[in-house]
Amino acid sequence: EVQLVESGGGLVQTGGSLRLSCAASGFTFSNYWIHWVRQTPGKGLVWVSRINTDGSSTDYVDSVKGRFTISRDNAKNTLYLQMNSLRAEDTAVYYCARDGYNNTRYGPDYYYAMDVWGLGTTVTVSS
Amino acid sequence: EIVLTQSPGTLSLSPGERATLSCRASQSVSSSYLAWYQQKPGQAPRLLIYGASSRATGIPDRFSGSGSGTDFTLTISRLEPEDFAVYYCQQYGNSPQYTFGQGTKLAIK
Repeated sequence: EVQLVESGGGLVQTGGSLRLSCAASGFTFSNYWIHWVRQTPGKGLVWVSRINTDGSSTDYVDSVKGRFTISRDNAKNTLYLQMNSLRAEDTAVYYCARDGYNNTRYGPDYYYAMDVWGLGTTVTVSS
Repeated sequence: EIVLTQSPGTLSLSPGERATLSCRASQSVSSSYLAWYQQKPGQAPRLLIYGASSRATGIPDRFSGSGSGTDFTLTISRLEPEDFAVYYCQQYGNSPQYTFGQGTKLAIK
């Protein structure tokens, strides 16, 4: 079964740090770009970050640049999100999600959409 | 940043009816980069449509997507009880940036 399972969420003080993990199974993890997406009742779904297949390219939403770092360990089939200098507005459910693609004779044709999602892990930042 | 505006905010329909959900972008979006998701309470989003009109694996054919430029539509031809949920559109653009609409709640009438 294709699966993503997040862990590492919890309650942290403003200015603190937290590292989220996302364990993948049931597919060849190293073939896929992976995202972090967060969701709050007030702001809905917000894309946070993306990493390419070998970890050499990363992208972030402006609000987390310089504070969050996405990384991956393909040998362990695991994605990470290191979150530093946390703010109240970082409070959310954090999902990891796979960017889908179709195999073509020219190579992968990416969806630029998330076709597999984890169940999420909750991060609460409070003073 | 491209802003996606979904309408209506809430759509109340009965099972068996046709649902039409709208997603309007503040700037032109490539059709290749427009997706739709379904989310039920307590669950993660589920990809329905990518590339504006391609159904994801396992998605019933009563779900269809259309549109181009700044106007996109998700249509559910005949509502089943399990279709009542919140629906989000999402686009990919330069920077790179992915943005989501604020969602349309499909409620049972």
